[in-house]
Amino acid sequence: SQTIHQWPATLVQPVGSPLSLECTVEGTSNPNLYWYRQAAGRGLQLLFYSVGIGQISSEVPQNLSASRPQDRQFILSSKKLLLSDSGFYLCASSFSGGLSNQPQHFGDGTRLSIL
Amino acid sequence: ILNVEQSPQSLHVQEGDSTNFTCSFPSSNFYALHWYRWETAKSPEALFVMTLNGDEKKKGRISATLNTKEGYSYLYIKGSQPEDSATYLCAFITRGGSQGNLIFGKGTKLSVKP
Repeated sequence: SQTIHQWPATLVQPVGSPLSLECTVEGTSNPNLYWYRQAAGRGLQLLFYSVGIGQISSEVPQNLSASRPQDRQFILSSKKLLLSDSGFYLCASSFSGGLSNQPQHFGDGTRLSIL
Repeated sequence: ILNVEQSPQSLHVQEGDSTNFTCSFPSSNFYALHWYRWETAKSPEALFVMTLNGDEKKKGRISATLNTKEGYSYLYIKGSQPEDSATYLCAFITRGGSQGNLIFGKGTKLSVKP
Protein backbone atom coordinates (compact mmCIF):
# COMPACT_ATOMS: atom_id res chain seq x y z
CA SER A 1 0.00 0.00 0.00
CA GLN A 2 1.03 3.59 -0.51
CA THR A 3 2.50 5.62 2.35
CA ILE A 4 2.66 9.40 2.08
CA HIS A 5 5.26 11.30 4.09
CA GLN A 6 4.59 14.98 4.47
CA TRP A 7 6.43 17.55 6.55
CA PRO A 8 6.43 19.68 8.56
CA ALA A 9 3.20 19.08 10.49
CA THR A 10 2.84 22.75 11.39
CA LEU A 11 4.51 25.86 10.09
CA VAL A 12 4.26 29.51 11.04
CA GLN A 13 5.66 31.92 8.49
CA PRO A 14 5.67 35.70 8.11
CA VAL A 15 4.01 37.37 5.14
CA GLY A 16 6.45 37.68 2.26
CA SER A 17 8.62 34.76 3.30
CA PRO A 18 9.26 31.77 0.99
CA LEU A 19 7.69 28.35 1.41
CA SER A 20 8.72 24.81 0.64
CA LEU A 21 6.58 21.83 1.64
CA GLU A 22 7.77 18.39 0.71
CA CYS A 23 5.89 15.19 0.13
CA THR A 24 7.34 11.76 -0.62
CA VAL A 25 5.58 8.54 -1.46
CA GLU A 26 6.47 4.93 -0.70
CA GLY A 27 4.97 1.72 -1.92
CA THR A 28 4.32 2.55 -5.54
CA SER A 29 6.05 3.67 -8.70
CA ASN A 30 4.97 6.43 -11.05
CA PRO A 31 2.09 7.56 -8.83
CA ASN A 32 -0.22 10.42 -9.61
CA LEU A 33 0.45 13.13 -7.02
CA TYR A 34 -1.75 15.93 -5.73
CA TRP A 35 -1.57 18.99 -3.50
CA TYR A 36 -4.77 20.13 -1.78
CA ARG A 37 -5.54 23.02 0.49
CA GLN A 38 -8.34 23.37 3.00
CA ALA A 39 -8.93 26.98 3.94
CA ALA A 40 -10.98 27.81 7.04
CA GLY A 41 -14.64 26.86 6.56
CA ARG A 42 -14.11 25.43 3.11
CA GLY A 43 -13.75 22.04 1.47
CA LEU A 44 -10.56 20.52 0.15
CA GLN A 45 -9.46 22.31 -3.00
CA LEU A 46 -7.12 20.76 -5.52
CA LEU A 47 -4.14 23.02 -6.18
CA PHE A 48 -1.85 20.91 -8.37
CA TYR A 49 -1.61 17.41 -9.73
CA SER A 50 1.17 15.54 -11.49
CA VAL A 51 1.14 12.41 -13.62
CA GLY A 52 4.91 12.15 -13.94
CA ILE A 53 8.31 13.74 -13.33
CA GLY A 54 8.31 17.36 -14.38
CA GLN A 55 4.60 17.26 -15.33
CA ILE A 56 2.54 19.68 -13.28
CA SER A 57 -1.00 20.85 -13.84
CA SER A 58 -2.45 23.75 -11.91
CA GLU A 59 -6.14 23.88 -11.14
CA VAL A 60 -6.45 27.38 -9.77
CA PRO A 61 -4.45 30.55 -10.29
CA GLN A 62 -2.51 31.33 -7.17
CA ASN A 63 0.63 32.41 -5.45
CA LEU A 64 1.98 28.87 -5.23
CA SER A 65 3.91 26.55 -7.52
CA ALA A 66 4.65 22.85 -7.51
CA SER A 67 7.50 20.73 -8.77
CA ARG A 68 8.15 17.03 -9.14
CA PRO A 69 11.92 16.53 -9.37
CA GLN A 70 11.73 12.79 -8.73
CA ASP A 71 9.12 10.11 -9.34
CA ARG A 72 7.93 9.98 -5.74
CA GLN A 73 8.67 13.52 -4.60
CA PHE A 74 6.26 16.44 -4.85
CA ILE A 75 7.13 19.91 -3.60
CA LEU A 76 4.87 22.88 -2.99
CA SER A 77 6.57 26.27 -3.04
CA SER A 78 6.04 29.96 -2.88
CA LYS A 79 8.48 32.82 -3.32
CA LYS A 80 6.45 35.22 -1.18
CA LEU A 81 3.65 34.04 1.07
CA LEU A 82 0.40 35.97 1.38
CA LEU A 83 -2.02 35.95 4.30
CA SER A 84 -4.49 34.14 2.07
CA ASP A 85 -2.08 31.21 1.77
CA SER A 86 -2.92 30.15 5.32
CA GLY A 87 -4.61 26.78 5.52
CA PHE A 88 -4.18 23.07 5.84
CA TYR A 89 -2.19 21.50 3.02
CA LEU A 90 -2.54 17.85 2.10
CA CYS A 91 -0.46 15.80 -0.28
CA ALA A 92 -2.10 12.78 -1.89
CA SER A 93 -1.24 10.03 -4.32
CA SER A 94 -3.04 7.45 -6.40
CA PHE A 95 -2.05 4.66 -8.72
CA SER A 96 -1.31 5.85 -12.22
CA GLY A 97 -3.96 5.28 -14.87
CA GLY A 98 -7.72 5.47 -14.31
CA LEU A 99 -7.30 8.63 -12.31
CA SER A 100 -10.88 9.26 -11.45
CA ASN A 101 -11.87 5.85 -10.15
CA GLN A 102 -8.80 5.21 -8.06
CA PRO A 103 -8.97 6.21 -4.38
CA GLN A 104 -6.44 8.73 -3.24
CA HIS A 105 -4.08 8.17 -0.32
CA PHE A 106 -3.33 11.19 1.83
CA GLY A 107 -0.47 12.38 4.00
CA ASP A 108 -1.00 13.77 7.49
CA GLY A 109 -1.00 17.37 6.25
CA THR A 110 0.75 20.62 7.11
CA ARG A 111 -1.04 23.39 8.94
CA LEU A 112 0.38 26.65 7.61
CA SER A 113 -0.23 29.90 9.47
CA ILE A 114 0.85 33.18 7.95
CA LEU A 115 1.46 36.09 10.31
CA ILE B 1 -19.12 26.32 -11.04
CA LEU B 2 -19.39 22.68 -10.04
CA ASN B 3 -20.38 22.23 -6.42
CA VAL B 4 -20.74 19.37 -3.99
CA GLU B 5 -23.12 19.80 -1.06
CA GLN B 6 -23.02 17.62 2.01
CA SER B 7 -25.66 17.56 4.70
CA PRO B 8 -25.93 17.82 7.55
CA GLN B 9 -22.84 19.84 8.33
CA SER B 10 -22.55 18.10 11.70
CA LEU B 11 -24.29 15.30 13.51
CA HIS B 12 -24.31 14.12 17.10
CA VAL B 13 -25.58 10.62 17.82
CA GLN B 14 -25.50 8.14 20.68
CA GLU B 15 -23.52 4.94 20.53
CA GLY B 16 -25.64 2.28 18.86
CA ASP B 17 -27.69 4.71 16.76
CA SER B 18 -27.76 4.24 13.02
CA THR B 19 -27.27 7.34 10.95
CA ASN B 20 -26.98 8.55 7.41
CA PHE B 21 -25.90 11.63 5.54
CA THR B 22 -26.13 12.99 2.04
CA CYS B 23 -23.83 14.10 -0.72
CA SER B 24 -25.39 16.03 -3.61
CA PHE B 25 -23.58 16.71 -6.85
CA PRO B 26 -24.36 17.82 -10.41
CA SER B 27 -25.80 14.85 -12.27
CA SER B 28 -24.64 15.79 -15.76
CA ASN B 29 -21.45 14.17 -17.07
CA PHE B 30 -20.98 12.14 -13.89
CA TYR B 31 -17.89 9.93 -13.79
CA ALA B 32 -17.11 8.84 -10.23
CA LEU B 33 -17.89 9.58 -6.60
CA HIS B 34 -15.49 9.07 -3.68
CA TRP B 35 -16.18 8.84 0.05
CA TYR B 36 -13.44 9.47 2.61
CA ARG B 37 -13.32 9.35 6.39
CA TRP B 38 -11.14 11.96 8.07
CA GLU B 39 -10.44 11.43 11.75
CA THR B 40 -8.95 14.23 13.82
CA ALA B 41 -5.14 14.27 13.74
CA LYS B 42 -5.08 11.61 11.01
CA SER B 43 -5.07 11.68 7.22
CA PRO B 44 -8.23 11.15 5.16
CA GLU B 45 -8.89 7.49 4.46
CA ALA B 46 -10.68 6.25 1.36
CA LEU B 47 -13.94 4.41 2.04
CA PHE B 48 -15.55 3.91 -1.35
CA VAL B 49 -15.19 4.81 -5.00
CA MET B 50 -18.47 4.49 -6.86
CA THR B 51 -19.03 4.83 -10.57
CA LEU B 52 -22.32 3.15 -11.54
CA ASN B 53 -25.85 4.39 -11.02
CA GLY B 54 -27.51 2.22 -8.39
CA ASP B 55 -24.15 1.11 -7.00
CA GLU B 56 -24.14 0.00 -3.38
CA LYS B 57 -20.93 -0.58 -1.47
CA LYS B 58 -20.34 -1.86 2.03
CA LYS B 59 -17.39 -1.89 4.42
CA GLY B 60 -18.24 -3.34 7.80
CA ARG B 61 -21.01 -1.24 9.33
CA ILE B 62 -20.65 1.50 6.72
CA SER B 63 -22.42 1.40 3.38
CA ALA B 64 -23.09 3.84 0.56
CA THR B 65 -25.52 4.14 -2.32
CA LEU B 66 -25.30 6.14 -5.50
CA ASN B 67 -27.94 7.78 -7.71
CA THR B 68 -26.22 9.44 -10.64
CA LYS B 69 -29.45 10.42 -12.41
CA GLU B 70 -30.62 12.63 -9.58
CA GLY B 71 -27.15 13.47 -8.31
CA TYR B 72 -26.90 12.15 -4.78
CA SER B 73 -25.17 9.56 -2.64
CA TYR B 74 -26.06 8.40 0.84
CA LEU B 75 -23.60 7.12 3.43
CA TYR B 76 -25.07 4.91 6.15
CA ILE B 77 -23.51 3.86 9.43
CA LYS B 78 -25.25 1.07 11.29
CA GLY B 79 -24.88 0.91 15.06
CA SER B 80 -22.54 3.90 15.40
CA GLN B 81 -19.52 3.50 17.65
CA PRO B 82 -17.33 6.22 19.21
CA GLU B 83 -14.54 5.26 16.82
CA ASP B 84 -16.80 6.28 13.92
CA SER B 85 -16.44 9.89 15.03
CA ALA B 86 -14.85 11.70 12.11
CA THR B 87 -15.57 14.03 9.24
CA TYR B 88 -16.95 12.20 6.21
CA LEU B 89 -16.04 13.76 2.88
CA CYS B 90 -17.48 13.07 -0.52
CA ALA B 91 -15.87 14.12 -3.77
CA PHE B 92 -16.90 13.71 -7.37
CA ILE B 93 -15.45 14.10 -10.82
CA THR B 94 -17.18 14.72 -14.10
CA ARG B 95 -16.58 12.93 -17.34
CA GLY B 96 -14.27 15.15 -19.30
CA GLY B 97 -13.07 16.91 -16.16
CA SER B 98 -9.41 17.58 -15.54
CA GLN B 99 -7.58 14.40 -14.73
CA GLY B 100 -7.68 13.73 -11.00
CA ASN B 101 -9.74 16.82 -10.27
CA LEU B 102 -11.84 15.61 -7.39
CA ILE B 103 -14.29 18.26 -6.23
CA PHE B 104 -14.81 17.88 -2.50
CA GLY B 105 -17.72 18.81 -0.30
CA LYS B 106 -17.13 20.44 3.07
CA GLY B 107 -17.90 17.21 4.87
CA THR B 108 -20.26 15.98 7.55
CA LYS B 109 -18.75 15.93 11.02
CA LEU B 110 -20.05 12.97 13.01
CA SER B 111 -19.70 12.75 16.79
CA VAL B 112 -20.71 9.51 18.49
CA LYS B 113 -21.20 9.71 22.24
CA PRO B 114 -20.62 6.59 24.35
